[in-house]
Amino acid sequence: AQSVTQLDSQVPVFEEAPVELRCNYSSSVSVYLFWYVQYPNQGLQLLLKYLSGSTLVKGINGFEAEFNKSQTSFHLRKPSVHISDTAEYFCAVMGNRGAQKLVFGQGTRLTINP
Amino acid sequence: GAGVSQTPSNKVTEKGKYVELRCDPISGHTALYWYRQSLGQGPEFLIYFQGTGAADDSGLPNDRFFAVRPEGSVSTLKIQRTERGDSAVYLCASSKQREGEQYFGPGTRLTVT
Repeated sequence: AQSVTQLDSQVPVFEEAPVELRCNYSSSVSVYLFWYVQYPNQGLQLLLKYLSGSTLVKGINGFEAEFNKSQTSFHLRKPSVHISDTAEYFCAVMGNRGAQKLVFGQGTRLTINP
Repeated sequence: GAGVSQTPSNKVTEKGKYVELRCDPISGHTALYWYRQSLGQGPEFLIYFQGTGAADDSGLPNDRFFAVRPEGSVSTLKIQRTERGDSAVYLCASSKQREGEQYFGPGTRLTVT
């Protein structure tokens, strides 16, 4: 079984500042890792994913994340945020054998202040 | 192209009633998933179809919940004897293959009064 912990429920930052949203997971098997974004009144959209290979993955809208197996983390970063990045961000994990379900964290609300 | 669609977008029902929620996946996607998102929480897995069969229904909370996908495309999530605790946004997702990216629909917001 897998579980995901997003360490911050809310993160306020100023526009053009850098941001890091933290995600830790636990699993008894190797995993795939994902970050999804949910804009107000919209569905979930995939930001980026780690399946294998390079531990630094780049996604849409200037976001990137780094897989750290020893620390079981997959933190999301952006060097300079915009007002349009205001949204709910979800980290998710999927075991790479057997079950195909995504296990989500509880979400981090990113608020960008001008 | 068209994404995953879900109908209705909103459903209000009285406690004890029966409801059906529909999901139209992206054409050609063989895998279909249902999740439930309660207020302030991340989505929780309910059931996964590969083709017409339920490959994993371990997330269904009890026997009041049932889902079908008779022709391997459209899926219906059925909830009997609804309870107030069933109020949530029900999300559907589809993917092209077993380990492919899951594309989510906009969800159906169910309110049980």
